[in-house]
Amino acid sequence: DQQVKQNSPSLSVQEGRISILNCDYTNSMFDYFLWYKKYPAEGPTFLISISSIKDKNEDGRFTVFLNKSAKHLSLHIVPSQPGDSAVYFCAARYTGGFKTIFGAGTRLFVKA
Amino acid sequence: NAGVTQTPKFRILKIGQSMTLQCTQDMNHNYMYWYRQDPGMGLKLIYYSVGAGITDKGEVPNGYNVSRSTTEDFPLRLELAAPSQTSVYFCASHLGQGVSEQFFGPGTRLTVL
Repeated sequence: DQQVKQNSPSLSVQEGRISILNCDYTNSMFDYFLWYKKYPAEGPTFLISISSIKDKNEDGRFTVFLNKSAKHLSLHIVPSQPGDSAVYFCAARYTGGFKTIFGAGTRLFVKA
Repeated sequence: NAGVTQTPKFRILKIGQSMTLQCTQDMNHNYMYWYRQDPGMGLKLIYYSVGAGITDKGEVPNGYNVSRSTTEDFPLRLELAAPSQTSVYFCASHLGQGVSEQFFGPGTRLTVL
């Protein structure tokens, strides 16, 4: 039973446009959410996070939005660049915990 | 800092062989993890450790063993390799509970034939 779901296996976007990657979760005990980025033949690297007490967190071109009532979060990348082409993992953590549950990932292609 | 390092990068095993995947971190992190990633799937937690001498099972521990004799090292042992263990294995660490993110190694691609 997947507790963190990324229903889009892939997404293709034109350079300069907005990329929106979506993530849904089922467990209301999750209170901290993270996005990781992964290039081929490398390990995932942390991108941005958000606590459940917020509904938005911004870091440069990257913004994460959290809708707790819908159990949904999204990552916006504006403007998208070819170097953003990677697999993006959504992840969630329990209250007071340290184990992280990962989604299956969305592969983003940014076309020049 | 080298961060999290893993060896080997690639390995091919025959069914029934055993091997150890090495993981070392130089950030003095207490928490360390082993994940496997199968195609089209997220990262599944195999084992984790909250400090030297303390390990516990994750979501998919069958067929694996770990030890944590030092803060820096967290090796993963496969005793009797099976084709179902063909995967990419990632080691990760982080400082502790709370909001700190995990740091991942580059991964080990294992094929069992």
